[in-house]
Amino acid sequence: GAVVSQHPSRVICKSGTSVKIECRSLDFQATTMFWYRQFPKQSLMLMATSNEGSKATYEQGVEKDKFLINHASLTLSTLTVTSAHPEDSSFYICSARTGTGGLSSYNEQFFGPGTRLTVL
Amino acid sequence: RKEVEQDPGPFNVPEGATVAFNCTYSNSASQSFFWYRQDCRKEPKLLMSVYSSGNEDGRFTAQLNRASQYISLLIRDSKLSDSATYLCVVNGAGYSTLTFGKGTMLLVSP
Repeated sequence: GAVVSQHPSRVICKSGTSVKIECRSLDFQATTMFWYRQFPKQSLMLMATSNEGSKATYEQGVEKDKFLINHASLTLSTLTVTSAHPEDSSFYICSARTGTGGLSSYNEQFFGPGTRLTVL
Repeated sequence: RKEVEQDPGPFNVPEGATVAFNCTYSNSASQSFFWYRQDCRKEPKLLMSVYSSGNEDGRFTAQLNRASQYISLLIRDSKLSDSATYLCVVNGAGYSTLTFGKGTMLLVSP
């Protein structure tokens, strides 16, 4: 299957700092990328959907000014957690999809290995 | 009602056992259904899609009941390596996003 990488795999930072997480599709062009967050013993929760070259669509309850998403190319999306606080500590996972997921088709999402963020 | 509900488990079974997981979903317009596997502190990986007619992949059998909005996964002849959390995942109308259940933890012991 297609490969998606994330960097860094783990980050520990002080409260108030900003953290950038990169998500790359290594062997395919990702029309759409998704950012998820998973707290311990909880399900993956979709934070936002981003299409290359356009603004991300955020899920209800996710602050767009706090979680900045940039999808500048078909192989790279970044998530920046601005002014991180301890409650932002979580497992952040991106996924990438080749198609647009229209009514007539489903395009598989390929997940990155995740980034574990710990804010002290 | 939660969009995708699963029994969190854990299900503790011996090697060789058969185990079944269930999942219910609330959106009757859901179009596609999947089982993902997630190992501890790792990303989820697609195990299999679930088709209306039911489908099998080796030791794994998935079934869908649209009328009851119910999905199941059966694992036969459990292996130690099957120990993981199994996520029920539903793709909504429009195929745009995936909704994940919290997962059911399976622990297979020698």
